[in-house]
Parts: sequence; structure tokens; C-alpha cells
Amino acid sequence: KNEVEQSPQNLTAQEGEFITINCSYSVGISALHWLQQHPGGGIVSLFMLSSGKKKHGRLIATINIQEKHSSLHITASHPRDSAVYICAVRDNFGNEKLTFGTGTRLTIIP
Amino acid sequence: DVKVTQSSRYLVKRTGEKVFLECVQDMDHENMFWYRQDPGLGLRLIYFSYDVKMKEKGDIPEGYSVSREKKERFSLILESASTNQTSMYLCASSPVLGPQPDTQYFGPGTRLTVL
Repeated sequence: KNEVEQSPQNLTAQEGEFITINCSYSVGISALHWLQQHPGGGIVSLFMLSSGKKKHGRLIATINIQEKHSSLHITASHPRDSAVYICAVRDNFGNEKLTFGTGTRLTIIP
Repeated sequence: DVKVTQSSRYLVKRTGEKVFLECVQDMDHENMFWYRQDPGLGLRLIYFSYDVKMKEKGDIPEGYSVSREKKERFSLILESASTNQTSMYLCASSPVLGPQPDTQYFGPGTRLTVL
């Protein structure tokens, strides 16, 4: 079973700062997801990656398959980015199940 | 837009009661999932279904059962609720094919308290 670790667990930053959240996993994967969960519970999928880099607005996700590591970056952070960011991986065995990290709670102070 | 709905946002039940949590998706997705989310533990898969009447156990199926009689609906059943089943329950669905296969779309969650 894949072990997924995220760091940091909690992150507080000032508005405008560049944010990096890290995710590492223990076993080879077919895809990695970054998810966002706002207070109240709703979860939204931000990215699905199997290699390289993806960008959407101020969010950038990268993955290094050899090092079993992914990062989520937020440029020009804003208070509305405050949320829990969750990394999840799908293994190589052809099933649809995801293994989730415990999340990083991000708070952006105005 | 994909919409995944859950029957209740908040639910309070007593120990020993039978509890039904309903999930409906409107995008004809093949896969549906039930998770529970607890502080410090992240999301853990209870059951998933990849087709009507098909189900597979996840990581923590004990104390739960599921039903998928129609493609759009996936029900989670707590046969005899216990206090350690107090949690946030999240349903998700995902397509097998299409531009974003395997991307999971989540419902708003049901916060269940068992007294």
C-alpha cells in the first residue's frame, strides 16, 4: 500500500506570498491528484498529473516520478486560497482506488 | 457541470440505529466511492462500485455495506451505528472514459454524529 505524506501540515502566510506544498509517496504510481477542500467540506479536483507540470491560473503542479515527489505552488496568494490541500495517488495496478495524504491546511492572512 | 449530491449535510443518530446515506450523480459515471474523513487520518475508502450491482471493499469496510441498484445512485448503510462511526462521509464519482478519466467529483459531505 502506498504511503502518502504531505508537508507542511499547516501553513500560514501573508497575502501575496509564494506558496509551496509538498507530497511524497512510497510506491510507483500511474497518476497523482491535487484536491482542494474549503471549510464546509466540499472537495474540488485541481490537477491530475502523471508527469511534468501543469498550470491553471495561479496554481502550478509539478511531479518528479523518479523521486516520487510532487509540489503544488500558488503564486500571489490570496485569502480565498485558504483551504486544505490534499494529495492523492493512484497506483500502477489498474484499479481506480486513490490513496490520500492527510492534507495541508493553508491560511492566507490579508 | 458534474453534480454529486448527498441526501443530508448533517445527521444525528443513536447507537444501534440503521443509517442510510444516499449519493446521486448526474453525469452517468461508472465509478462511485464512499469515503470517511477524520482529523489526522485523511480520506479513507470504505467501498467503491465500478458498475451497477458491483461493489468492492475499500480499506475500512467493517460495519458498513453498500447498494448500487441504479447507475446514478450509491447508498452507504450502517447496519448498527456505533459512536466510532461519527465522521464526515464523502461520496465521489468518476468516469472511466472521456477527457478527464479517473478524476473524482465529490459531493458536499454528510457529517454524521452517533450518540
